[in-house]
This record gives sequence, structure tokens and C-alpha cells, in this order.
Amino acid sequence: RKEVEQDPGPFNVPEGATVAFNCTYSNSASQSFFWYRQDCRKEPKLLMSVYSSGNEDGRFTAQLNRASQYISLLIRDSKLSDSATYLCVVNKLAGNQFYFGTGTSLTVIP
Amino acid sequence: DVKVTQSSRYLVKRTGEKVFLECVQDMDHENMFWYRQDPGLGLRLIYFSYDVKMKEKGDIPEGYSVSREKKERFSLILESASTNQTSMYLCASSSPLQGARFFGSGNTIYFGEGSWLTVV
Repeated sequence: RKEVEQDPGPFNVPEGATVAFNCTYSNSASQSFFWYRQDCRKEPKLLMSVYSSGNEDGRFTAQLNRASQYISLLIRDSKLSDSATYLCVVNKLAGNQFYFGTGTSLTVIP
Repeated sequence: DVKVTQSSRYLVKRTGEKVFLECVQDMDHENMFWYRQDPGLGLRLIYFSYDVKMKEKGDIPEGYSVSREKKERFSLILESASTNQTSMYLCASSSPLQGARFFGSGNTIYFGEGSWLTVV
């Protein structure tokens, strides 16, 4: 079983729509959780960390559900510039490694 | 801002050549990583290092080696390049998880811009 699993999409949504991505992780010892954004042929960049209480950054909201071992990302009022691949990333203390989902592709359509 | 620099952005090499990919980070991070990314397969860990002169195999180390002689520099070496090593290579660095830095961006992983390698 993969450490981190994501729906690869693609998600094609109109401008202004709300879209949600989910990600599940297999190891309950996971400590830190992140969403990264990756544009075509570019490196992944940190979008936001995911805190236990949930957190919001403008149009973006991240949630963590430890009991069910999933994290989510909600994007409200989608913009054309939100088109990218969104990677779910999990970190655990043992081994100090990061585990990546394969990414969810989002295209926002005018 | 954290800066991870990969000096070679685009390379074309012949089968059998020895290839060096260099990576430098300026944040005094203990941890450094090399990944490759291929369509449909996501990021796969090749090697990582927690300290100078220390290295650990990742998920796909075959055909690769690494060198970490200085804390800021982590090199990936393809001893004899093959066509199945054509890929995007990403270097990354992070601080180790310690105490209160479990949560938040204290242990975020930062990536270089990537090196696109084509082996012909």
C-alpha cells in the first residue's frame, strides 16, 4: 500500500467554482502534513502546511482528520491561475522522510 | 528565502556517460534529498543524506550514487547513464523534525528548480 494516495484527477472546473481535493495516508505515525503546488515543468512549491485544527489562507482551506487519516484542500472562487498539480505531502519522525502523493491535476476553465 | 540551486538545468548525455548533477542549499539544512519525477509515477526518492559524508538509499538507488562532502552540497552521480534514466531530477533540503518543530513550516522541504536529463 502506498504511503500517500491521491485522486489524480484531472479536475476541470469553471472559474469561480469551489473544488476539493482529498488525500489519504497510511501511517498513523505521520507528524506533519503539507499541500504543495507544482506548475508544469516546474518544481513543487509549498502552498500551505496543514494543522490539526485546520487552517485557512485566503481562498484556500486545509483540513486534517487524524482518525480517518486523510487531509483535504478546498479552493474557493477558483482562478485561472490556480491551474496546476497539487501534491499531498506527509512527513514522519522516524527516518525523517517525506512521502508524496502522485498529485491531483486541476484546470480552471474560463 | 530558502534557496536550493541545481546548477545544470538541461542536459543531453549519451548512453554510458558519467553524469554529475550538483545541488547547493543556503539554509544550513541538515537533510538533503535527490528525487526523480516521471509522468504517472510521481516523486521517487533516489538517495538522501542527514549529515556530511552520510548517505542513505531511497526507493530507487540502482544506477545512482551520491556525495556529500560539505553540508551545503549534495551531488548525484549516474555512473553509466542509460536511456531509462531520462527524467526530471529534483534536489531538496529540509531541517530535521525536532521537538516543537513537528508542525508548521519548520521542517518544510524545499526544492531546487529541477534538472532535465535526456539520455540518448
